Order: sequence, then structure tokens, then C-alpha cells
Amino acid sequence: AQSVTQLGSHVSVSEGALVLLRCNYSSSVPPYLFWYVQYPNQGLQLLLKYTSAATLVKGINGFEAEFKKSETSFHLTKPSAHMSDAAEYFCAGIQGAQKLVFGQGTRLTINP
Amino acid sequence: ETGVTQSPTHLIKTRGQQVTLRCSSQSGHNTVSWYQQALGQGPQFIFQYYREEENGRGNFPPRFSGLQFPNYSSELNVNALELDDSALYLCASSVGGKIAYEQYFGPGTRLTVT
Repeated sequence: AQSVTQLGSHVSVSEGALVLLRCNYSSSVPPYLFWYVQYPNQGLQLLLKYTSAATLVKGINGFEAEFKKSETSFHLTKPSAHMSDAAEYFCAGIQGAQKLVFGQGTRLTINP
Repeated sequence: ETGVTQSPTHLIKTRGQQVTLRCSSQSGHNTVSWYQQALGQGPQFIFQYYREEENGRGNFPPRFSGLQFPNYSSELNVNALELDDSALYLCASSVGGKIAYEQYFGPGTRLTVT
């Protein structure tokens, strides 16, 4: 069964600094992995997805993630943080037919 | 293209009552999934409906039930509400039969049980 673990419930970076949010997955089959963002009092918005194609996936708002099978990781990065990036970020994997299994989430804070 | 909509936005109920939450799927999508997101947690899968039939269920008791209508909109019903049912309920629509198709989420319904 697919499961995902997000390392760090809270990450704080300065505006303009690198953003790195960590996600590790556990699966016995090729994974399908997603990153979602949730702004306060809103639903989830898909940032990017990995579906066994290119290992480096580019998403919206300048985010990208790299799938590393040897490390069972799918970390999310952005070269330069912006104040508008402050939100909750969720890594998710597919279990069965389209059932999403989410990590616990990482709250990203941007310091001016 | 109309996105996923949910109603109501907020709801306050008393323990023991029943509640119905509604979701309209995105145009062209025939699958609706429901998730419960407790405060400070990631969403938890409740169940999924594909072409009006339940197509998978998470670890939730039978008092959580649902429906999908011919237009692919959906309802989530919760009977005998408990305090722990207080959460954000998210609906997501997608195209069924194609694994890994992204799910598009609505804004959620915030349910408070007192």
C-alpha cells in the first residue's frame, strides 16, 4: 500500500531563499505522486504530479519536484521564495483507483 | 469551464443530528471523491463515487454515506453526528477509469459539531 511521509510539519524561510519541502513515499509498485497547496480557508490546488515520465517535474508558481527512486523521495523545491508562497503543502500518493493518500502537511512560512 | 463547487460553506450542528453536504463536479468529470480534513491534519479518504456507484471506501463508519446523481453531482450524509466529525469536508472530481488523473478539489465545507 502506498503511504507518504512529510518531514517537518513547519518550515520557515526568508523571502528570496530556497524552499525545500520533503516527502518520502513507500510503495511496492511504481508510484504516482502529487504535491498540493492549501491556502487558509480554501481547498487544495494541484501544484504538480509525477506519473512515471520525467523524474524532474515542473509545476505552477515556479515549483518543481524530483522523483528519486533510490531515495524513495519526491521533494518539492522553489529557487526563490515569495511572500505569496506561505501556505500548507501536502504530498500525496495514489492508492488503488484514484484514492489519494496524503502526508500530514508542511506549513511554509515566509519571513520578510 | 466550471470548477468544483460545494455547499454550504460553513455549517454548525449539534451532536446526534444529521447533515447533508453537497458537491458539484467539474464539467466532464464523472468521479467524485470525498475527504475529511481534521484541523492540522492531511485529508483522509472517505469514499468515491463513479457513475453513481460507490467505488471504494476509506476507514469510516456506515453513518457516513453518499450518493451520486446522473449529472455526477454528489452528496455526503453523516448521521448521528459526533464531536470528532468537526472538520473540513472536501470534495474532489476527476475522470474515472484513468489512474493518476489529477483530482480537482472544491473549497470545502467547514462542519462544526457542538
